Amino acid sequence: KAGVTQTPRYLIKTRGQQVTLSCSPISGHRSVSWYQQTPGQGLQFLFEYFSETQRNKGNFPGRFSGRQFSNSRSEMNVSTLELGDSALYLCASSRMTDRLAGEGETQYFGPGTRLLVL
Amino acid sequence: GQQVMQIPQYQHVQEGEDFTTYCNSSTTLSNIQWYKQRPGGHPVFLIQLVKSGEVKKQKRLTFQFGEAKKNSSLHITATQTTDVGTYFCAANSSNDYKLSFGAGTTVTVRA
Repeated sequence: KAGVTQTPRYLIKTRGQQVTLSCSPISGHRSVSWYQQTPGQGLQFLFEYFSETQRNKGNFPGRFSGRQFSNSRSEMNVSTLELGDSALYLCASSRMTDRLAGEGETQYFGPGTRLLVL
Repeated sequence: GQQVMQIPQYQHVQEGEDFTTYCNSSTTLSNIQWYKQRPGGHPVFLIQLVKSGEVKKQKRLTFQFGEAKKNSSLHITATQTTDVGTYFCAANSSNDYKLSFGAGTTVTVRA
């Protein structure tokens, strides 16, 4: 089974621009989550989508947005880029788990998109 | 939301030695997951623990979930250079399906 794919892998933008990142989940996975990873802040949760609906949201400003399509593919958008947005953006997909049994959804991460804002 | 605290932040280990990394929460957790990220790579799922006091082993790695379900540990025996990377714990609390990651323990190995 193919893993999670993310495009592009590398991106250089300037302040004020916007960027759209794409993620294709593992076939059959309906949940897609996005994370921002920086050396200083670690893995920060951005948002999660399930069946085209945002199910969870982290503490990021409104400049960060996302969406999910009917085929479970997801995009995230960052508008008005700032220098501090330079990071590795990771997408992860997961399949349904038995939450009543206390199980959490295992995250299958993609290789990430490394964004540099100049 | 709930947070998981991970210690130590860095672990420098002599090859062949053992070490342990810890994950602690102030709230009761529904589950705990562990991930490993190699340098330049992405996090890869290692294991999930759900039951109080649960212990699972993967070769030289031993994972434990505390009796109170507020802490967890990862113990690696006879460290090898292939163990280099950052180990993250991640958890859901009982009323929060959002996965919270610890800051990670970055492991380096001296040959």
